[in-house]
Amino acid sequence: AAGVIQSPRHLIKEKRETATLKCYPIPRHDTVYWYQQGPGQDPQFLISFYEKMQSDKGSIPDRFSAQQFSDYHSELNMSSLELGDSALYFCASSLGSGRVGEQYFGPGTRLTVT
Amino acid sequence: AQSVAQPEDQVNVAEGNPLTVKCTYSVSGNPYLFWYVQYPNRGLQFLLKYITGDNLVKGSYGFEAEFNKSQTSFHLKKPSALVSDSALYFCAVRDGGAGNNRKLIWGLGTSLAVNP
Repeated sequence: AAGVIQSPRHLIKEKRETATLKCYPIPRHDTVYWYQQGPGQDPQFLISFYEKMQSDKGSIPDRFSAQQFSDYHSELNMSSLELGDSALYFCASSLGSGRVGEQYFGPGTRLTVT
Repeated sequence: AQSVAQPEDQVNVAEGNPLTVKCTYSVSGNPYLFWYVQYPNRGLQFLLKYITGDNLVKGSYGFEAEFNKSQTSFHLKKPSALVSDSALYFCAVRDGGAGNNRKLIWGLGTSLAVNP
């Protein structure tokens, strides 16, 4: 079965650079979530999109932005990177339309800021 | 405010013994409850969920969880632990109210170590 695809899997950036993470949800899933997970920590919810509209916002810094495109893939744009942004970034997708769908997670993108 | 508590940072159990990973929650309405497992350097994998119906929910890999409304708990259980069950387990809750807000509130995770 198709899973959530994230690219790239690993990314190394320097401070003050920008990064773009991509997420391709499971086909027919209409909701995408972004999470940040630091070492040994629980996932921190950043932002979510339902049918290409932002549906909820968590602890996403102002330096970050995200969007969901017409094909339902999503991109997380990160600017002015800081050392503290180094983390594992997960994307998850679910099927909405009023159903309580579990979230399916991608393998994550490991971002290292040096 | 919604919250999830996993009171144990770590659980150790011998292989073949039953295991329990605890989770309590607080939501304003009816809860939707989830358990996820995370293996090292991997994404989170869905194990099971409780939406409504039977309080005992069966999930993947032989895991089950019992919803207890009076104790606001949703403990994860398995009758016989395997070494391969060693991983990080996260409990999550979502408010069952209407709307498109599907944000999950996560517990801090419990590290399960199953010893041979």
